[in-house]
Amino acid sequence: GAGVSQSPSNKVTEKGKDVELRCDPISGHTALYWYRQRLGQGLEFLIYFQGNSAPDKSGLPSDRFSAERTGESVSTLTIQRTQQEDSAVYLCASSLTRGGSTDTQYFGPGTRLTVL
Amino acid sequence: SQKIEQNSEALNIQEGKTATLTCNYTNYSPAYLQWYRQDPGRGPVFLLLIRENEKEKRKERLKVTFDTTLKQSLFHITASQPADSATYLCALPDSSASKIIFGSGTRLSIRP
Repeated sequence: GAGVSQSPSNKVTEKGKDVELRCDPISGHTALYWYRQRLGQGLEFLIYFQGNSAPDKSGLPSDRFSAERTGESVSTLTIQRTQQEDSAVYLCASSLTRGGSTDTQYFGPGTRLTVL
Repeated sequence: SQKIEQNSEALNIQEGKTATLTCNYTNYSPAYLQWYRQDPGRGPVFLLLIRENEKEKRKERLKVTFDTTLKQSLFHITASQPADSATYLCALPDSSASKIIFGSGTRLSIRP
């Protein structure tokens, strides 16, 4: 079946512009995560959606970052007034539900963001 | 808060040998722990999950152990091959079990 997809795969933008990154999770997966990965670094948690619960936004680095999810489908991560330090790969993952073995996360290929 | 420690130094192993990677956590013992593989330019891929009541889990050439006393998981690849070269990440649920947190990963390189 289809895996997690993300678009665009690459995005180059100028400092100060807004960008929108999209994630299509696996159908039926109620949980969706966004991570940031800088070059050569580990995964940095950004935000987590679980069903209709309020999202866990504890990882968002500043108020320039926001994310939305419509029901249990597509999610959009928006970065306003981008800075060069925002350059990274943004990874999205989905999982069937929360807790137990079903928390296995399936990752998309990521969006590589470059802020000039 | 929970911290996950993986060896940030790259691990270089001769083909055919067993590679052993370490994941240590600092606070509470999680109900389970996961290992993922990440290749350059790609998202991580799930490999194995081990629960707190399991000492060991195997899958083909992979073996994972979980020692809640030492607060450590070991990930072994036996008969290693150059195709096993990748970064390996461990992950576990945070204290509220509301989300999964990842270690920074260990880069493994298998030389022919």
